[in-house]
Amino acid sequence: AQRVTQPEKLLSVFKGAPVELKCNYSYSGSPELFWYVQYSRQRLQLLLRHISRESIKGFTADLNKGETSFHLKKPFAQEEDSAMYYCALLGGGSQGNLIFGKGTKLSVKP
Amino acid sequence: NAGVTQTPKFQVLKTGQSMTLQCAQDMNHNSMYWYRQDPGMGLRLIYYSASEGTTDKGEVPNGYNVSRLNKREFSLRLESAAPSQTSVYFCASSAGISYEKLFFGSGTQLSVL
Repeated sequence: AQRVTQPEKLLSVFKGAPVELKCNYSYSGSPELFWYVQYSRQRLQLLLRHISRESIKGFTADLNKGETSFHLKKPFAQEEDSAMYYCALLGGGSQGNLIFGKGTKLSVKP
Repeated sequence: NAGVTQTPKFQVLKTGQSMTLQCAQDMNHNSMYWYRQDPGMGLRLIYYSASEGTTDKGEVPNGYNVSRLNKREFSLRLESAAPSQTSVYFCASSAGISYEKLFFGSGTQLSVL
């Protein structure tokens, strides 16, 4: 079964601290994974995708096939990083397009 | 360029009432989706339309119907609203069913009393 698990509902850190939002997946093939972000009063939007190996707003995410994980990391959190973060897996078939995790709310305190 | 437009932004219904949520995109996308967002449950796919003329059930289709009116528009209908359908509803679109970049609307906050 195709599934995305985000074990933390809420993650609270202080400004300047490192942050890691966890994501684990279940997928039989070669996965394509993404992180979406929803800032307060804004639309949900794509943050980054694993195939690009890019860093967006200081965030990076590495696909670890051995651990079936795709954790989102940032070395120094900023207050403006406070948002809802969703990990997503490109599925298909009866599950449509993207399969989203339940999300993690990141709160960065001053 | 409006992207994905949803109407209404807010709605309050009484149990048993019906309503239709409208969604339109102006990006010439083939695929469109309806999600609901609930605290602790994240985003769950209700229905999707891979291309004009097709619709398919997602994870939580019960109590909903959809219509892909044309390439631009994809509506979601609640025939007999229930309190369990209180949620924030998001419409999204993508170039194709295998495209990972979804463009989301601003959401409809629905309360069923």
